[in-house]
Amino acid sequence: DQQVKQNSPSLSVQEGRISILNCDYTNSMFDYFLWYKKYPAEGPTFLISISSIKDKNEDGRFTVFLNKSAKHLSLHIVPSQPGDSAVYFCAARGAQKLVFGQGTRLTINP
Amino acid sequence: DTAVSQTPKYLVTQMGNDKSIKCEQNLGHDTMYWYKQDSKKFLKIMFSYNNKELIINETVPNRFSPKSPDKAHLNLHINSLELGDSAVYFCASSPTTGTYGYTFGSGTRLTVV
Repeated sequence: DQQVKQNSPSLSVQEGRISILNCDYTNSMFDYFLWYKKYPAEGPTFLISISSIKDKNEDGRFTVFLNKSAKHLSLHIVPSQPGDSAVYFCAARGAQKLVFGQGTRLTINP
Repeated sequence: DTAVSQTPKYLVTQMGNDKSIKCEQNLGHDTMYWYKQDSKKFLKIMFSYNNKELIINETVPNRFSPKSPDKAHLNLHINSLELGDSAVYFCASSPTTGTYGYTFGSGTRLTVV
């Protein structure tokens, strides 16, 4: 059973526009949610997080929104830049580990 | 000056062989992990060790045996390799168990033929 899911395998956005990546989870015991970014041939790197007691966290061009009632979180990137092209993993913390989704490949077009 | 380093980066081997993947971190973290990225692209935890002590063993076949000689190293040994073991394996570390600031290695792509 996959407790964290990213149902869009890929997303293509024009440079300068907003990118919105989505993630759904099933376990209400998760207490932190995170986004990791991964370039080819590299490991995932931490991008931004949000506590389960918050509904929004912002860091520069990146904002994460959490809707606990819907068990849904999203990552907004605005404005999108070519260097944002990567695979983005959603993750949730529970039981001494991070549970990851399957990633969404974001492509920013010039 | 890599924070979490894994070797080898690529590994191609025949079914039935035994192979090891090494991982080292120089961040002073207490906890290390092995994750497997499966064919559906999910990153799934396999093991975690805190200061050389096994914390998580996530229903992994006993052909997989982690070894942590000290808190800076967590190696993964795989016996009797099967086709289904083909995947990308990522090592990671975090300051302590339960913190979420994982630092990942760049991965080892294992191909079993």
